[in-house]
Amino acid sequence: ILNVEQSPQSLHVQEGDSTNFTCSFPSSNFYALHWYRWETAKSPEALFVMTLNGDEKKKGRISATLNTKEGYSYLYIKGSQPEDSATYLCASSGGGADGLTFGKGTHLIIQP
Amino acid sequence: AAGVIQSPRHLIKEKRETATLKCYPIPRHDTVYWYQQGPGQDPQFLISFYEKMQSDKGSIPDRFSAQQFSDYHSELNMSSLELGDSALYFCASSSGQRNTEAFFGQGTRLTVV
Repeated sequence: ILNVEQSPQSLHVQEGDSTNFTCSFPSSNFYALHWYRWETAKSPEALFVMTLNGDEKKKGRISATLNTKEGYSYLYIKGSQPEDSATYLCASSGGGADGLTFGKGTHLIIQP
Repeated sequence: AAGVIQSPRHLIKEKRETATLKCYPIPRHDTVYWYQQGPGQDPQFLISFYEKMQSDKGSIPDRFSAQQFSDYHSELNMSSLELGDSALYFCASSSGQRNTEAFFGQGTRLTVV
């Protein structure tokens, strides 16, 4: 079983500030890294899928980077807004595991 | 395009009763994941299946059991329900192919009274 770790578990950020958090995963036999945004009482929304070392993806104020050699991905949010409040899940595939292995998520709270 | 179907969408049960939640994955998806999201809480991974076998296990209480059937649909069985089991239960499916994302259903809202 892959061990996907996310940190921090919870994060409070002032509106307008930028923030980032981490997803770490075993780098051996890595195949793909996924980021999801999960608002309370809604279905998760897929943000990014990244496969190549050095990949950087952007969607509005949210961007993500990938380092497959050291086994981590950063998710950045620029100029946080209240609507960014959500749990951000990452999931990794590869390492001999079947399907995706999800991290426990980072719970982001944007304070006005 | 077909999505992940969860049924029922809403369920009200009394304490100590049993509930069964169903998840129908996207066609040709062979992996299913179950999550629980309590009111105001972070989502908690419960259990996952790949090719009808349990592949990972998270914070699933012993009162809960789940399985994946030959048609790849999955059922989450919850017995001796407690008030604290009231939550949204989400199911997701993915293909065993490594580069596919997981798609989530709309969730089942379970209320235990």
